Order: sequence, then structure tokens, then C-alpha cells
Amino acid sequence: QKEVEQNSGPLSVPEGAIASLNCTYSDRGSQSFFWYRQYSGKSPELIMFIYSNGDKEDGRFTAQLNKASQYVSLLIRDSQPSDSATYLCAVSGSARQLTFGSGTQLTVLP
Amino acid sequence: NAGVTQTPKFQVLKTGQSMTLQCAQDMNHNSMYWYRQDPGMGLRLIYYSASEGTTDKGEVPNGYNVSRLNKREFSLRLESAAPSQTSVYFCASSDGDREAPLHFGNGTRLTVT
Repeated sequence: QKEVEQNSGPLSVPEGAIASLNCTYSDRGSQSFFWYRQYSGKSPELIMFIYSNGDKEDGRFTAQLNKASQYVSLLIRDSQPSDSATYLCAVSGSARQLTFGSGTQLTVLP
Repeated sequence: NAGVTQTPKFQVLKTGQSMTLQCAQDMNHNSMYWYRQDPGMGLRLIYYSASEGTTDKGEVPNGYNVSRLNKREFSLRLESAAPSQTSVYFCASSDGDREAPLHFGNGTRLTVT
């Protein structure tokens, strides 16, 4: 079983809709959770990080963490075509090294 | 600020050849990392250096060696390249604190024939 699992997609949503990206992890000792965005042919860039159970909002992005269910999600409100990218979930486990999921490809349709 | 600079951007090797991927950061970060990214596999950690003078193996270290030359520079060496090492390689750096993000270089696309 992969340590960090994401639905690879592709996920398509219409412009203006809410995109929901999900991630599960296996290490119960994980403490830090990150979402990175990667455009095709480019390097990953950090969108958000979250440490505590609950929601964390930053502009159009909301990260949600449920440690009991070992689940972290990213919501993108008012999705724009420029949000079309691959979204990588990364988890810092007990070894304090980041483990990445394989990514979810998001397409926002104009 | 250049951030994290990787060279070269592209490289083609024949099986058995060797090469070194260079990485330098100008953000005074303590920690540096080498990842490889393959289709459908996400980013996998090859080696990392938590501070100058230390290096540790990551998830997929076989076939690679690293050198933390100083605080700024962290190189990755392939001694005898194999087709399985065809991948995109990313160098990254961070402050090392739990909330510190990874800053990635632009990547090196390596093909081994």
C-alpha cells in the first residue's frame, strides 16, 4: 500500500465550480501536510500547509485535515482555467521526510 | 534571488556513462533534497542533507551518490547510468522547520539510452 494515495484523475470541473481534491495517508505519526501545484513541465510550488485538524483557508483555497480518518483534502472555490494543473499531496511522517502522492490532474473547463 | 538553480536542464546519456547533476541555492537554507519524478509515481526522495556535512538516503538511493559540498551546493552523481534512471530530477531546499516549504529547482530531464 502506497503511503500517500491520491486519485490520479483526471478531474474536470467547469469554470466557477468547486474542485475537491483528496488524499489519504498511512503513517499515523504524520504531523505536517502540504499541497503543491505543478504545471506541466514545471516544478512544484507550495499552495498550502496544514497541521491541525479542521479547515484552513487561504483565498480561494481551503485545506481540510482529519487525522482520525487519515485524510486531507484541498478545495478550490471559483475554479479558474489557470488552476488547471497537477496537485500533489505531501505528508511529513515520523521520519520528518516528505512523502508525495502521485498527484491528481485537474482540468478547469472554460 | 535565483532561488534553487539546477544544471543541466536536459541530458542524454548512454548506459554505463556517468554524470553529476549540480544544484545550488542562495536562500541560506540548511536542508537540501534530491527527488526524481516518474509518470504516475509522484516525487520520490533519492537523498537528502539536513545540514552541511550530513547526507542520508531517501526512498530510492540505489545507483546514486551525493555530495553536500557546502551550505549552498548539493550534487547528485550517477556512476553508471541505467535506462531505469531515465526521469526528471528535482533539487529542493528548505529551512528544515516543519512549516517550511520546499523550494524546487526547475528540474533536469535525463534520458538514458
